[in-house]
Amino acid sequence: DAEITQSPRHKITETGRQVTLACHQTWNHNNMFWYRQDLGHGLRLIHYSYGVQDTNKGEVSDGYSVSRSNTEDLPLTLESAASSQTSVYFCASSVKNEGTEAFFGQGTRLTVV
Amino acid sequence: KQEVTQIPAALSVPEGENLVLNCSFTDSAIYNLQWFRQDPGKGLTSLLLIQSSQREQTSGRLNASLDKSSGRSTLYIAASQPGDSATYLCAFSQGYGNNRLAFGKGNQVVVIP
Repeated sequence: DAEITQSPRHKITETGRQVTLACHQTWNHNNMFWYRQDLGHGLRLIHYSYGVQDTNKGEVSDGYSVSRSNTEDLPLTLESAASSQTSVYFCASSVKNEGTEAFFGQGTRLTVV
Repeated sequence: KQEVTQIPAALSVPEGENLVLNCSFTDSAIYNLQWFRQDPGKGLTSLLLIQSSQREQTSGRLNASLDKSSGRSTLYIAASQPGDSATYLCAFSQGYGNNRLAFGKGNQVVVIP
């Protein structure tokens, strides 16, 4: 079955370190997204991509970057981790040009100490 | 910017009662609406998708409606069961094919046996 997987599921890192969260989907979806979920804020969009070599900033993109070198993967990089980036991160994907369902990964819980 | 509100934030109901969860939005220029379920520490599971041209969707005990004129969507769960205990999230996509979702903060539901 097609799926979307995130790794690692849990990570603890120190302030100032660079961290990369992986997202891999096997649906061959063009659209991929990264969201963060925090108490009191709900889910907020960090970055998104509509295809290979395409990346765009979402509403909370400061301190994060993404790259899309193939259809299946959209890694999220925290350039210099800050305590404010402690959160649960979700990756999602969807088919392009049909406005159809978005499918989510299981999430990565990141703690910055 | 799309603002999405879910009321009530939390509710408890006895088993067997029908659940009604409300989601309101400020911008009627939406393309589709998705309802998700989230269990503690887990990812988001898609429940129902309503396209902007549709008024409702049904899946088993679940029914979701969309009224763009009033800026509201309602998720109805018939004959609730303890297994329905979870957080329910609504999300709106504002662009055709882009699926950039604006989320509400969720309705946390507890079904009491």
